[in-house]
Amino acid sequence: GAGVSQSPSNKVTEKGKDVELRCDPISGHTALYWYRQSLGQGLEFLIYFQGNSAPDKSGLPSDRFSAERTGGSVSTLTIQRTQQEDSAVYLCASSSYQDSSLGEQYFGPGTRLTVT
Amino acid sequence: LAKTTQPISMDSYEGQEVNITCSHNNIATNDYITWYQQFPSQGPRFIIQGYKTKVTNEVASLFIPADRKSSTLSLPRVSLSDTAVYYCLVGPMDSSYKLIFGSGTRLLVRP
Repeated sequence: GAGVSQSPSNKVTEKGKDVELRCDPISGHTALYWYRQSLGQGLEFLIYFQGNSAPDKSGLPSDRFSAERTGGSVSTLTIQRTQQEDSAVYLCASSSYQDSSLGEQYFGPGTRLTVT
Repeated sequence: LAKTTQPISMDSYEGQEVNITCSHNNIATNDYITWYQQFPSQGPRFIIQGYKTKVTNEVASLFIPADRKSSTLSLPRVSLSDTAVYYCLVGPMDSSYKLIFGSGTRLLVRP
């Protein structure tokens, strides 16, 4: 079946502009996560959704970052007034606790954001 | 969440068995150990998960000693396509599970 998809795959934007990154999770997955990965680094947790609510926003680096999820499906990560340090690959993952391996998350291919 | 320590990089040759060890001295009673694999320009992919002793699937084996302060991911007969970064993660399996990634181990498989 279809995996997690993200769009766009690449985004180049000028410093100070706003960007929206989209994630389509696997159908039926109730949990959705956003991470970011800077060049050569491990992944950094940003936010977690269970259904449409976000019980854990602890990883959002600043108030310029926000995310929403509608209909328990698609999620959008918005970065306002982008800065060069926001350049990274933004990864989305989803999971279902009906899976045999509790905690297994399925990752999308990511959106590579470059702020110039 | 328990901090993990793993080698920065490892080299191997095709056909060899590769063992990557992860230290997690502060693992909690309700923590599980999970390994992910990441190829360049792709998101991580779940490999294996365990709580204690040994777990084996079609891809790898995971060995966890009785004290659970370390774990070893074993990849049998690696191929060039196993070249990737391997992450060891430790955390509780609950409804707010978020993955805390370290730097991982870069495995290079040579012909």
